[in-house]
Amino acid sequence: AAGVIQSPRHLIKEKRETATLKCYPIPRHDTVYWYQQGPGQDPQFLISFYEKMQSDKGSIPDRFSAQQFSDYHSELNMSSLELGDSALYFCASSVETGLNEQFFGPGTRLTVL
Amino acid sequence: AQKITQTQPGMFVQEKEAVTLDCTYDTSDQSYGLFWYKQPSSGEMIFLIYQGSYDEQNATEGRYSLNFQKARKSANLVISASQLGDSAMYFCAMREAFISNFGNEKLTFGTGTRLTIIP
Repeated sequence: AAGVIQSPRHLIKEKRETATLKCYPIPRHDTVYWYQQGPGQDPQFLISFYEKMQSDKGSIPDRFSAQQFSDYHSELNMSSLELGDSALYFCASSVETGLNEQFFGPGTRLTVL
Repeated sequence: AQKITQTQPGMFVQEKEAVTLDCTYDTSDQSYGLFWYKQPSSGEMIFLIYQGSYDEQNATEGRYSLNFQKARKSANLVISASQLGDSAMYFCAMREAFISNFGNEKLTFGTGTRLTIIP
């Protein structure tokens, strides 16, 4: 069965650089979520999209932006990277049919040096 | 206020024994969902089991079962006949009812329990 695809899987950046993370949801899933998991932390919700519109926003820094495209893939753009942005970034997808499962991608591990 | 509380930072269990991972939650919604995810050292988040607030029976998935006590607001994960491969971080998470007109609500996670299975 198709799963959520995230690219790249690993990314190393310098401080003040920019990064773009990509997420390809499971086919026919209409909702995409982004989570950030710092070292030893639980995942924290950043932002979500439903049918290409932003549906909810969490603790996402102003330096970050995201969008969902017409083919439902999503990109998280991160600018002016800081050391504290080093984390595992998960994308998850679901269908808008009730309180059911979110399927997580394998994550992108971002390291800021 | 913490919405999901996992009071066991770490647990050590002998192989083949059963283990219960605790999770309590806080919500004023009538409609919500509770989830358990497993995160091995490789980092991926693996869905284990789901319980809806209106489900009358406890959810079960193979060796995993969810002990749902609604009045006590607890949703403990029970793993029967533990295996070495069960060693991982386990997160309890909750999804509350829709508050917007668009899409599903985010998951709120607990701080996790690190389970180590001893041979």
